Amino acid sequence: NAGVMQNPRHLVRRRGQEARLRCSPMKGHSHVYWYRQLPEEGLKFMVYLQKENIIDESGMPKERFSAEFPKEGPSILRIQQVVRGDSAAYFCASSGVEGGQGPYEQYFGPGTRLTVT
Amino acid sequence: AQSVSQHNHHVILSEAASLELGCNYSYGGTVNLFWYVQYPGQHLQLLLKYFSGDPLVKGIKGFEAEFIKSKFSFNLRKPSVQWSDTAEYFCAVNDFNDYKLSFGAGTTVTVRA
Repeated sequence: NAGVMQNPRHLVRRRGQEARLRCSPMKGHSHVYWYRQLPEEGLKFMVYLQKENIIDESGMPKERFSAEFPKEGPSILRIQQVVRGDSAAYFCASSGVEGGQGPYEQYFGPGTRLTVT
Repeated sequence: AQSVSQHNHHVILSEAASLELGCNYSYGGTVNLFWYVQYPGQHLQLLLKYFSGDPLVKGIKGFEAEFIKSKFSFNLRKPSVQWSDTAEYFCAVNDFNDYKLSFGAGTTVTVRA
């Protein structure tokens, strides 16, 4: 029963480096969502992607952050020139129902904990 | 987007005690409501959900939640907790036809044997 996979589980980067977080959705799911959890806060929506398309990136910081979900392979959340404030847990979720068309369920991965030193 | 409040940051209980975790969201309309649980070292799992119908929802592992529309609340309950219920619990809401989930800050529940 392959659920949502994320890797790495833990990632340490120095300030100024790049962080790449990967997410493989559940089998049969073509919708991916990224959320960020800062310390002592709830998860906050970042971006919603379908294969080869960014549907909604309203929660993404305007600079340094980008996301993609290519035709083949996992979804990637990329953070360039990381700063200490980027330290957080990043969760990926996937769904198999067309987003925005009624109730659905998002299945979450284990998260990637990014630490910027 | 909705704003979600979870009333307790950390709850400590003894086994067999009853548990109730509060959750309120910010505004009305048709909403979907969820409780997720994250056991130590594991991913977020869906505990239960409400889309429509009976406002008393039963989930896995003996949990239930009651949707009270007039109070914008969706409180989670379990009559008798076990040590294995030690986890972090998140309430989440989205507006009907919106995929974006809004989460509360989470409640850490520690059950002492």
